Order: sequence, then structure tokens, then C-alpha cells
Amino acid sequence: DAKTTQPNSMESNEEEPVHLPCNHSTISGTDYIHWYRQLPSQGPEYVIHGLTSNVNNRMASLAIAEDRKSSTLILHRATLRDAAVYYCILRESGAGSYQLTFGKGTKLSVIP
Amino acid sequence: GAGVSQSPSNKVTEKGKDVELRCDPISGHTALYWYRQSLGQGLEFLIYFQGNSAPDKSGLPSDRFSAERTGGSVSTLTIQRTQQEDSAVYLCASSRTSGGPYEQYFGPGTRLTVT
Repeated sequence: DAKTTQPNSMESNEEEPVHLPCNHSTISGTDYIHWYRQLPSQGPEYVIHGLTSNVNNRMASLAIAEDRKSSTLILHRATLRDAAVYYCILRESGAGSYQLTFGKGTKLSVIP
Repeated sequence: GAGVSQSPSNKVTEKGKDVELRCDPISGHTALYWYRQSLGQGLEFLIYFQGNSAPDKSGLPSDRFSAERTGGSVSTLTIQRTQQEDSAVYLCASSRTSGGPYEQYFGPGTRLTVT
């Protein structure tokens, strides 16, 4: 999987929006952008993914830059339960891309 | 609907004993993955199944580790003659099929402690 760069940590106040950035300047045309998160003492949890267009689901929104070299995960109203490590990864579109490999991710702290 | 389930949630075993870890994927998901995660570490890929076959076993750490999947559903990861370095959280995930566009859904994991 191609490399991504994320800040090590971020803080947010509860009930405020959070924008988590990810840079992926070497992304190829067929790479999907996936976000997962891992809460303390739990398994990873899928958040959202996209290819070119912005995506919304019940958990978050994903904003993808026009050149696809960066993306932003948006949590619209942070809650204490959103405190986790967030991982941005690129996945090739073929069936051969099945392993998930996480980098260090961004540790999000939510302040009550 | 029901997510991925794993059992047991915790397992403490003595060095040298065999253990079996079970994974029940989301119904209809043809791809199933086993990972492990040691304390404070990243995900380590072990093996993946597409249906009942395992195209990639390259992540299994040694021949003490084996896995099978029957009926395209439940999978069992077996560790023989456990060692202390096998202590970790073993995670199972499933997806509709393998490949980049498809998200993986994880179970809660089995925390294995070898004493």
C-alpha cells in the first residue's frame, strides 16, 4: 500500500467538529482511500472510504482533494466515544490487496 | 445485523498447550482474515481466506500456527505448543470479498495470554 502521512495527535472539544488530515502524495489512480479507527482495548473499526468524490455516512464525512493527494476525515460533532487512533490507508483496487497495514495514525483526544 | 464474533474473548494457557480460537464472520462475507496485535503494536497479518481456501498463508509466524475455514463461514485458528511470544490479541475480520474497495469488519478479538 502507498504511504500516507498523518499528524501524530490532535485534540478536540466535545460537540465540536474535527478535521483529521491525511497526505498521500504518491497515490495512484486506482487507490482507494480508507479510514479506520481503533478505540482503546478494541479491535479496529471501519469508518469510511472513497475513491474520488466526497463521501458521507452515519459516522463521518470524507473530503478528497481534487488532485487526490490529500484527504480529510470530518467528524461533525466529536463525542467522548470518538477518542481513538485514526488510520488513513490507501488500498489498491485489485483482489490482491487484502492485507490492512496501518501506520502510526492520529491519536484523537476529546476534551469534555 | 450481527457483526463478526470471536470466542473466547480471553484465554489464559500454559506454555506448551494447544489453543483454538474461533471466528464467526458476518453472514454472506466470503473473505475472512486473521491478524494479531501485540500490546502497543500495529496489526500483523496472519492469513486470509476467500471462501474455504487460503490463498495467502505467508503471515503465519511458524508451523505451530494453522487455520481452517469450513462451509465458507466459521474459521478456527489453532496454535500448537504455545509459547510466551504468542501472547497477543488475535483479531478476525471479514469482508464481502477481498480487494481494495471492500472494507473489513473486525471482531472484538481474543486476548491470548501464555504463562
